[in-house]
Amino acid sequence: NAGVMQNPRHLVRRRGQEARLRCSPVKGHSHVYWYRQLPEEGLKFMVYLQKENIIDESGMPKERFSAEFPKEGPSILRIQQVVRGDSAAYFCASSLQENTGELFFGEGSRLTVL
Amino acid sequence: GENVEQHPSTLSVQEGDSAVIKCTYSDSASNYFPWYKQELGKRPQLIIDIRSNVGEKKDQRIAVTLNKTAKHFSLHITETQPEDSAVYFCAALRAGFKTIFGAGTRLFVKA
Repeated sequence: NAGVMQNPRHLVRRRGQEARLRCSPVKGHSHVYWYRQLPEEGLKFMVYLQKENIIDESGMPKERFSAEFPKEGPSILRIQQVVRGDSAAYFCASSLQENTGELFFGEGSRLTVL
Repeated sequence: GENVEQHPSTLSVQEGDSAVIKCTYSDSASNYFPWYKQELGKRPQLIIDIRSNVGEKKDQRIAVTLNKTAKHFSLHITETQPEDSAVYFCAALRAGFKTIFGAGTRLFVKA
């Protein structure tokens, strides 16, 4: 009964490098959400995806950030040319259908930019 | 845009006392209001939720109330225990859209 799986759990990058964060939703869930959490802060919505579609990316910076949820495989959040301000915990969550209720969260990927 | 305000940001109570956290939301079409608990270094987990057709819901020591007219909802924890210490997030959702979270309340329960 696997829940939402995120990897890597911890990622260290130098400024200017790329970070790729992966999320496998709960089996059977077709909706994925990415949230960013800065230390001591709340959960900021980034992007909402269905299989092969971006539903809402209003919380994701237009530059350097991209997300996908392909037909096969995990959802990927990609951050290009990382800066120190990108250091945060990135949480993925999934839901069975369009969001009508509980989100199931992964354990998060903690990105540190040196 | 949609917004969820949460108060207080920090709450310290003595073990056995009650804790109340309050939230307001801006999107009148919101119809689902979950509460998540996040322990240090862990993922957020749902502890209780309420839908817009209900005014109150209780689960053992935890209860949630909803006032749709005022767009307020609250979490009540009775007989607090040290293991209740965590960050609590309220959230609001309009079906089919993104879940918007409050900024969180850091609850400390002193033994």
